[in-house]
Amino acid sequence: AAGVIQSPRHLIKEKRETATLKCYPIPRHDTVYWYQQGPGQDPQFLISFYEKMQSDKGSIPDRFSAQQFSDYHSELNMSSLELGDSALYFCASSLPGTYNEQFFGPGTRLTVL
Amino acid sequence: KQEVTQIPAALSVPEGENLVLNCSFTDSAIYNLQWFRQDPGKGLTSLLLIQSSQREQTSGRLNASLDKSSGRSTLYIAASQPGDSATYLCAVTASGGSNYKLTFGKGTLLTVNP
Repeated sequence: AAGVIQSPRHLIKEKRETATLKCYPIPRHDTVYWYQQGPGQDPQFLISFYEKMQSDKGSIPDRFSAQQFSDYHSELNMSSLELGDSALYFCASSLPGTYNEQFFGPGTRLTVL
Repeated sequence: KQEVTQIPAALSVPEGENLVLNCSFTDSAIYNLQWFRQDPGKGLTSLLLIQSSQREQTSGRLNASLDKSSGRSTLYIAASQPGDSATYLCAVTASGGSNYKLTFGKGTLLTVNP
């Protein structure tokens, strides 16, 4: 079965650089969620989209922005990167009518040097 | 604000044992509860989802129960195997509205020794 695809899987950036993370949800899933998991931490919700509109926002820094495109894929844009942004970034998707069971991608490991 | 707690933080058992992982949440107004498995540095694999109206769900050797009124869930793993070694995360979705973000516990690190 198709799963959530994230790219790139690994990313190394310098401080103050920008990064773009991409997420391709499971086909027919119209809701996308982004989570950040710091070292040894539980995943923290960043932002979500439903039918290409932002549906909820969590503890996402103002330096980050995201959007969902017409094909339902989503991109998380991160600017002025800081050392503390180093983390695993997960994307999840869900399908309406399934009690919001969320399926996670493999994550993008971002390292900021 | 919803808080999710998982105990124990770590558990080590010999192969073949049955075990129980615990999850508690402070706000009983949940939409559903999901149990996930995470291998080191990897993504989250959904194991079971329990709707707020359900009491339990089963999948193979896994059984998850939910007592919404007391804010508790348990994940029962039967006949544990070394391949079950991973971190198990519990997460809840708040009810009401159309926003279904997950709030996670910090997980239980399970080690099953051969």
